[in-house]
Amino acid sequence: QLQESGPGLVKPSETLSLNCTVSGGSISSSSYFWGWIRQPPGKGLEWIGSIYYTGSTYYTPSLKSRVTISVDTSKSQFSLKLNSVTATDTAVYYCARLFPGAGVIILRGAFDIWGQGTMVTVSS
Amino acid sequence: DIQMTQSPSSLSASVGDRVTITCRASQSVTRYLNWYQQKPGKAPKLLIYTASNLQSGVPSRFSGSGSGTDFTLTISSLQPEDFATYYCQQSYSSPQTFGQGTKVEIK
Repeated sequence: QLQESGPGLVKPSETLSLNCTVSGGSISSSSYFWGWIRQPPGKGLEWIGSIYYTGSTYYTPSLKSRVTISVDTSKSQFSLKLNSVTATDTAVYYCARLFPGAGVIILRGAFDIWGQGTMVTVSS
Repeated sequence: DIQMTQSPSSLSASVGDRVTITCRASQSVTRYLNWYQQKPGKAPKLLIYTASNLQSGVPSRFSGSGSGTDFTLTISSLQPEDFATYYCQQSYSSPQTFGQGTKVEIK
């Protein structure tokens, strides 16, 4: 099970910070990556980035300059920080588990378990 | 980035209908194509992974096919709980990208 947490309102130019707590399994499993995906109101899904328990990260290029994803295995959590936010960053943010699917490369897998999502509004 | 285009963007269908949704990639993604179902206010749910593999717990009326650039999600007999938005996603190359979604509505 995954659960997002963090502020629902962030001011423009500030930093959006969210945590995802993993329960019912180990965040340190070698079989999975962990990811963040967002969905602006009424729009489609956008992959933000993914992290392995060792700390290896992959980000979407359009957000790479503003995004940091980190992992804290002792807390069974991974986190998202997005700085210099604007109104276009208003979205529901989901954390999810990435499993390898039918292949052996985890990053070519699919998101099989999702958090419920948390709405983040960027507004003054 | 690989662009994913779904068609149609929306469709109206009746319970019991056979429904087909198409997803086309701007370049080959081999078989690294996944399908998700999303209901209003809920997180997406994985239906099909790696083009044709049914996720555990998903009813067998859902099936996926295709390779390269053209993929299909088929619902063999639409049920009331299937009215939702469906997304394809390529995981062949980074950044992973999603289609724009197909909304399946009640006729």
